[in-house]
Amino acid sequence: ETGVTQTPRHLVMGMTNKKSLKCEQHLGHNAMYWYKQSAKKPLELMFVYNFKEQTENNSVPSRFSPECPNSSHLFLHLHTLQPEDSALYLCASSQPMGLAGGGSTDTQYFGPGTRLTVL
Amino acid sequence: RKEVEQDPGPFNVPEGATVAFNCTYSNSASQSFFWYRQDCRKEPKLLMSVYSSGNEDGRFTAQLNRASQYISLLIRDSKLSDSATYLCVVNQGSSNTGKLIFGQGTTLQVKP
Repeated sequence: ETGVTQTPRHLVMGMTNKKSLKCEQHLGHNAMYWYKQSAKKPLELMFVYNFKEQTENNSVPSRFSPECPNSSHLFLHLHTLQPEDSALYLCASSQPMGLAGGGSTDTQYFGPGTRLTVL
Repeated sequence: RKEVEQDPGPFNVPEGATVAFNCTYSNSASQSFFWYRQDCRKEPKLLMSVYSSGNEDGRFTAQLNRASQYISLLIRDSKLSDSATYLCVVNQGSSNTGKLIFGQGTTLQVKP
């Protein structure tokens, strides 16, 4: 399936490096999300964008900086990360809230993730 | 208390067995409920949404008990390919924010 793509799939970086993760969705959705999945922990929501506007920042440290230039693309800029930031970073997309109706949350479709290792 | 709680397992069952997973959630205002499946080193994929009246999709049956804040997933006639981690997912509350809360997941291993 190629509905949501992410690059790179694997990334190793030092604590002083700056890198970016990219997500692209081909589903015509207008909501996009970044999640973090650490070993033995549930997925943690990081950021939510609706129609390119950030609507949620789940107390994420400023060393993670999201960017959403349009409804199809989402970036996560990384700088001065810590080893504990090593995890699988997943992007997802969905129809925006409101269109789902009735207070429900529409299905989120995930990309394959970027496995990040911080040395 | 965790917002979404699941028994991590693993559940080891033989092919053909029936297995049930349970999940509890803490926010009584939640309105959307899902089961996602995640294979090893892959992304989560929607297995099924969970409706108040209960719903079935082939060998999979999902039930919701709002009064007890409890969700279940029943898998009948288990196949080897059902081996995966099953994630219970709940939206955060009554407002339509897109915030989904994921459980830790329950691991299923189906043996020949």
